[in-house]
Amino acid sequence: IAGITQAPTSQILAAGRRMTLRCTQDMRHNAMYWYRQDLGLGLRLIHYSNTAGTTGKGEVPDGYSVSRANTDDFPLTLASAVPSQTSVYFCASSWTSGTGANVLTFGAGSRLTVL
Amino acid sequence: GQQVMQIPQYQHVQEGEDFTTYCNSSTTLSNIQWYKQRPGGHPVFLIQLVKSGEVKKQKRLTFQFGEAKKNSSLHITATQTTDVGTYFCAGPGETGNQFYFGTGTSLTVIP
Repeated sequence: IAGITQAPTSQILAAGRRMTLRCTQDMRHNAMYWYRQDLGLGLRLIHYSNTAGTTGKGEVPDGYSVSRANTDDFPLTLASAVPSQTSVYFCASSWTSGTGANVLTFGAGSRLTVL
Repeated sequence: GQQVMQIPQYQHVQEGEDFTTYCNSSTTLSNIQWYKQRPGGHPVFLIQLVKSGEVKKQKRLTFQFGEAKKNSSLHITATQTTDVGTYFCAGPGETGNQFYFGTGTSLTVIP
């Protein structure tokens, strides 16, 4: 089934540990995104990538890094997790053209708890 | 930076009542999208509006894009329990390839 796969589904992590959230899409979308969702704050863009080999910062990039080595994969890394990074993380992808982004397809999310 | 605000944050309605959520952007948007997230689920695309003053309908859902392309609304007529969830609007960033989401409106429908 075409779509986005995120892993892990949930994780409890000690503060200070390094964590990578994985995201893989099989739709050949050129753009990918990472959002975090917190109660009352909606979905906030962390990082995005318009095409393989390029990345950009969103609204809340501090403490996170991403890479886009190929079209399908867009991992999100927390170098040293802190409790404020406890959240639900959604990966999304879309096909973008010169007229801008089209529909975003989301993964099922990864729930991360940092203690 | 761009801000997309939604009101209300929460709305409880009796089944059969109408519901409206409003989305306001600090900047003019080239287009706006609406998503629905069921409890425990992920956001799912509903619709995209592109033209100034555009109105689109999907069964009991009516979407509007403001004349100035800085605001939008979603109206649900005669809500049903299947309408429960959080509704988000989203608009593109300056480059057009980033999408910024509103804070969302959580809808509860009381049977």
